[in-house]
Amino acid sequence: EAGVAQSPRYKIIEKRQSVAFWCNPISGHATLYWYQQILGQGPKLLIQFQNNGVVDDSQLPKDRFSAERLKGVDSTLKIQPAKLEDSAVYLCASSLTSAGRGETQYFGPGTRLLVL
Amino acid sequence: AQSVTQLDSHVSVSEGTPVLLRCNYSSSYSPSLFWYVQHPNKGLQLLLKYTSAATLVKGINGFEAEFKKSETSFHLTKPSAHMSDAAEYFCVVSVNDMRFGAGTRLTVKP
Repeated sequence: EAGVAQSPRYKIIEKRQSVAFWCNPISGHATLYWYQQILGQGPKLLIQFQNNGVVDDSQLPKDRFSAERLKGVDSTLKIQPAKLEDSAVYLCASSLTSAGRGETQYFGPGTRLLVL
Repeated sequence: AQSVTQLDSHVSVSEGTPVLLRCNYSSSYSPSLFWYVQHPNKGLQLLLKYTSAATLVKGINGFEAEFKKSETSFHLTKPSAHMSDAAEYFCVVSVNDMRFGAGTRLTVKP
């Protein structure tokens, strides 16, 4: 079974530029998550999709971050414009059903973003 | 609301000695608890999870964890460390969403 795919693996941009990340979840997984992992910290949920609908985006900085999952499969996360503090690893994860208690999430390798 | 505290940011052991990574949680409801491992430049991998069944949970690579409600703890253990165990370990509490601890970096000395 193929795992969660993410691209690119690494990205370096200058502040105020825009950037986009792509994620393809495990086939058949209804729920997709984007996390931000700042160096030295645990991952923090940015947004959760159930099929193509948003379940939770309470921690997404909506003035600069956006995400979509139009066909309920793959997803893109965009930052526009980027700030220095956006430097982090962006992790995508998927689960078979909704993130109820006990549901296992499967993670991709992440995209490491450096904003100069 | 739920939260998790990993009591050690860094643990160093010698190869062949026991590993103990400590995790305390806080939750208003009966939670699920997970341990994930993250090797350098790799994605997070599930080690084990507790979902209100047996309190002693066995995971992959010889790891296990015990859920202790009275102590609100979910410590991760392994009887004998291997060099390949060197990684970052995250304790996670889940009620409606997953809350990660800050992580514990495990170093294994030869």
